[in-house]
Amino acid sequence: EADIYQTPRYLVIGTGKKITLECSQTMGHDKMYWYQQDPGMELHLIHYSYGVNSTEKGDLSSESTVSRIRTEHFPLTLESARPSHTSQYLCASTQPNRQRVTNEKLFFGSGTQLSVL
Amino acid sequence: AQSVSQHNHHVILSEAASLELGCNYSYGGTVNLFWYVQYPGQHLQLLLKYFSGDPLVKGIKGFEAEFIKSKFSFNLRKPSVQWSDTAEYFCAVKGNDMRFGAGTRLTVKP
Repeated sequence: EADIYQTPRYLVIGTGKKITLECSQTMGHDKMYWYQQDPGMELHLIHYSYGVNSTEKGDLSSESTVSRIRTEHFPLTLESARPSHTSQYLCASTQPNRQRVTNEKLFFGSGTQLSVL
Repeated sequence: AQSVSQHNHHVILSEAASLELGCNYSYGGTVNLFWYVQYPGQHLQLLLKYFSGDPLVKGIKGFEAEFIKSKFSFNLRKPSVQWSDTAEYFCAVKGNDMRFGAGTRLTVKP
């Protein structure tokens, strides 16, 4: 059973607010990801990390930042939320297979549904 | 809340064999359905999606999936797999929120 947690589950905030979406995993995974999904659309990768102090931007340009100070924690921050940020945000993690013999198993959190008014 | 089940944990096939990966969900309302693939060392990619209309959906790389509403299923198929199809495959259902299956690892032997 995967242990990856996202909080809050739902969030409704006003424009201009600073928010942080939390993601934690207890599996000791090195790789962590943030995906964004607009209603009825597919996932888009917005940030990822391959380990502590490693963060990269993904395919989707986003006014968000991430940090990876501890292996288990990968928070996503929006400095000034806008209605265009209304979306679902999914966190995922995986442990890379250094032998590359088998595929990496991806585990997902349950998501944060963000609504910016 | 909905749930998603992928029946096969690990599937091993030889090249040119036909593929069918099972996906069932539980949700009473309208759903959007997706299949994603993750190749070794890469990020998730969308294979195909179903929102409405023709329940037989064609995706990239020769994959297709059929939505059978009465069976709450969205199975992924490919007539003839290649070694390069070796990857992890995720079924996902969007109802009230997004739910992913546990994934099916596909290994294609050359």
